[in-house]
Amino acid sequence: AQTVTQSQPEMSVQEAETVTLSCTYDTSESDYYLFWYKQPPSRQMILVIRQEAYKQQNATENRFSVNFQKAAKSFSLKISDSQLGDAAMYFCAYRSARRDDKIIFGKGTRLHILP
Amino acid sequence: EPEVTQTPSHQVTQMGQEVILRCVPISNHLYFYWYRQILGQKVEFLVSFYNNEISEKSEIFDDQFSVERPDGSNFTLKIRSTKLEDSAMYFCASSPQGNEGGYTFGSGTRLTVV
Repeated sequence: AQTVTQSQPEMSVQEAETVTLSCTYDTSESDYYLFWYKQPPSRQMILVIRQEAYKQQNATENRFSVNFQKAAKSFSLKISDSQLGDAAMYFCAYRSARRDDKIIFGKGTRLHILP
Repeated sequence: EPEVTQTPSHQVTQMGQEVILRCVPISNHLYFYWYRQILGQKVEFLVSFYNNEISEKSEIFDDQFSVERPDGSNFTLKIRSTKLEDSAMYFCASSPQGNEGGYTFGSGTRLTVV
């Protein structure tokens, strides 16, 4: 069975600095998707960034980028120029490329932004 | 941008009562899901639904739970006899044909069982 592990329950970063959130996963499949979701205090699930496993290039969305290491099964999220609005719970997630497979979430990392 | 709409945003119910949580997925999506998140814990898969039947369900999704797509637009989750431990945030999600990997989540229904 697939698993997703986030080893950092909480992290803090100074405003305008860069922070990296770690995630590892385990799967025997070769084709899959990886995601980072942000959950602010409103508890809505917001997709931050998505990576297709068959793509070698790391995904980037404005200040958010990932470091995808397929062989190591590692998928970290880098937030540059951290802003107060980035404070939230961040979930790493995995989904098989099979047609309607479920998303498997990690336990999350709570990110605090220090002014 | 199309949204998944969930109602109500917050529901309080007495233990033993039936509740129905409602979702309107994105109109051209074909796969539908329910997840739940107990406060402070991770998001857990409950059930997936495609072509008017359940594709997969988790161990959490026991006989107390059921899903339905009654009219081609709504997608509902029913809990027959609520327990205190059913208190959680319930998220509906949908995804399109072709499975480009992207889900769209609704904003959730906070269920409180008292």
